[in-house]
Amino acid sequence: AQSVTQPDIHITVSEGASLELRCNYSYGATPYLFWYVQSPGQGLQLLLKYFSGDTLVQGIKGFEAEFKRSQSSFNLRKPSVHWSDAAEYFCAVGSHAGNNRKLIWGLGTSLAVNP
Amino acid sequence: NAGVTQTPKFQVLKTGQSMTLQCAQDMNHNSMYWYRQDPGMGLRLIYYSASEGTTDKGEVPNGYNVSRLNKREFSLRLESAAPSQTSVYFCASSGQQGLNTEAFFGQGTRLTVV
Repeated sequence: AQSVTQPDIHITVSEGASLELRCNYSYGATPYLFWYVQSPGQGLQLLLKYFSGDTLVQGIKGFEAEFKRSQSSFNLRKPSVHWSDAAEYFCAVGSHAGNNRKLIWGLGTSLAVNP
Repeated sequence: NAGVTQTPKFQVLKTGQSMTLQCAQDMNHNSMYWYRQDPGMGLRLIYYSASEGTTDKGEVPNGYNVSRLNKREFSLRLESAAPSQTSVYFCASSGQQGLNTEAFFGQGTRLTVV
């Protein structure tokens, strides 16, 4: 069955430090992969997505993610974190089981940023 | 750009009461979704609608009903609210029932059932 695992429930980094949030997926075919961010009290906003082509994708707010098929991973990175990046981050994979097409979600990683 | 609009933003219900959560999108999207979000459980799909006139169950449909009123609107109804339905509810829409189109989310409805 398709699944998405975000191994880190909570991460704390210092402002200005680099960041990597992990995402591993289980999917039988070529995955469509997404990273979303949820600021406190808000809905989810798309950061970036991967469908095909270049395995390093750029997103909004200075984020990037790299698709590694051999590792079944789609880790999110940012070179220098800002205090405003404190939020919940969700990885998702597009699933198509018959006609039941939907996104499969990870449980999220909560990011705290120390000044 | 309104995007996806949910109402209400907050609601407190007594056990057994009913209510309808409203959702509307102005992006001419075919697909719409209702999720609930609970601490430590991520997003769970309640119901979705691939196109106007169709609805399908998601992972956790029990206790809920939906109506795809037209292409813009997708409502979620709790007929007899239970404390287990205390949650944050998100409506989302996407351009087509495809795998590679992003979902756009509303701001959420925080529901408390006492």
